Amino acid sequence: DAGITQSPRHKVTETGTPVTLRCHQTENHRYMYWYRQDPGHGLRLIHYSYGVKDTDKGEVSDGYSVSRSKTEDFLLTLESATSSQTSVYFCAIMSGSSYNEQFFGPGTRLTVL
Amino acid sequence: AQRVTQPEKLLSVFKGAPVELKCNYSYSGSPELFWYVQYSRQRLQLLLRHISRESIKGFTADLNKGETSFHLKKPFAQEEDSAMYYCALSGNRSGGSNYKLTFGKGTLLTVNP
Repeated sequence: DAGITQSPRHKVTETGTPVTLRCHQTENHRYMYWYRQDPGHGLRLIHYSYGVKDTDKGEVSDGYSVSRSKTEDFLLTLESATSSQTSVYFCAIMSGSSYNEQFFGPGTRLTVL
Repeated sequence: AQRVTQPEKLLSVFKGAPVELKCNYSYSGSPELFWYVQYSRQRLQLLLRHISRESIKGFTADLNKGETSFHLKKPFAQEEDSAMYYCALSGNRSGGSNYKLTFGKGTLLTVNP
């Protein structure tokens, strides 16, 4: 599992509340990613990080912010959750091999009521 | 811009039948292509990468640059192959740091007994 964990694994919250999801890795990988997975859309990149304090937007970044103050942790924050953000969120890391393959965390199922 | 198209949302076959999951891509340079598999409510797992030309769990995929395709094939499907399959593309690192994966929308394979 490439040493990737996510917390919480499940969360139910109400519209308008802030939510923070955590991705933790144990293998000192430089690149980390947040995706959301929705039926009919596959996986879509929200934000990614290429080092401590270095982050950039993906294709569906509106309504989300990220932070990376330590190599091992990449946080995804929904400042004010909306029902359209109900989804399964996956964190990923890029392996240190010569390939651009990514390895994924177990996912967080978020429901916004 | 890079794009991955998986034309079939759903694919249903019988056990023992051949299976082919289609993937077409659009990319101006030399891509790296991957297939990922996701079993029910689990994390995505890397199934294979084109550059290794490997066979995993009986699956193979050949990169056809002329047709810009990377179809996934297995000669005899098994019930345990039932899962969601994603094709993904990344640009070549040496071509100027492309460290992101673009995913297709996925094909749900069901293998019936």
